[in-house]
Amino acid sequence: DARVTQTPRHKVTEMGQEVTMRCQPILGHNTVFWYRQTMMQGLELLAYFRNRAPLDDSGMPKDRFSAEMPDATLATLKIQPSEPRDSAVYFCASGFPGGTEAFFGQGTRLTVV
Amino acid sequence: SQQGEEDPQALSIQEGENATMNCSYKTSINNLQWYRQNSGRGLVHLILIRSNEREKHSGRLRVTLDTSKKSSSLLITASRAADTASYFCATDTTSGTYKYIFGTGTRLKVLA
Repeated sequence: DARVTQTPRHKVTEMGQEVTMRCQPILGHNTVFWYRQTMMQGLELLAYFRNRAPLDDSGMPKDRFSAEMPDATLATLKIQPSEPRDSAVYFCASGFPGGTEAFFGQGTRLTVV
Repeated sequence: SQQGEEDPQALSIQEGENATMNCSYKTSINNLQWYRQNSGRGLVHLILIRSNEREKHSGRLRVTLDTSKKSSSLLITASRAADTASYFCATDTTSGTYKYIFGTGTRLKVLA
């Protein structure tokens, strides 16, 4: 069945290293979201794309985070350099705009030590 | 900042009881959705209510929306242990951006 796939599921890295998280949205969905979930901040919207174009990345620290959609089947979120405060679960979701549900992946649990 | 705030933050009930969670939001919306998140998993969509609707049902779920008070409630009737999860509301504002902003969540524990 159709699902959003995120890789890796878990990542432990040292401070200063580059981290790349990948997301395969459901085929045909034209909107992709990146969220970050922490106990303190809850679910924060980092960025979202429509038809592969970034529409809003105001929730993302620009100095170290970048999000791209090289093609319709792949979305990436990069952190360079990573910091301990980036430790969180990062979720990708896809859907259609205009009042329809978002389908979430299982998330990437990132730990920066 | 969060668009939605759920209340209560945590709720513990006995199996068979009803669970009510509330969500308040700040700006005008196109629609409001409720999602469930089991521990360590992604969010799963439960129900969507549009701004011109006041009440919606889906199985044991009942959602109400009061746009004048900028609030919504989710009622789970005859709760089961499997309903134990966190529940989030998400709003799609009328700004035309169609991006979903999530609230802080309610942690529900249903005791068998």
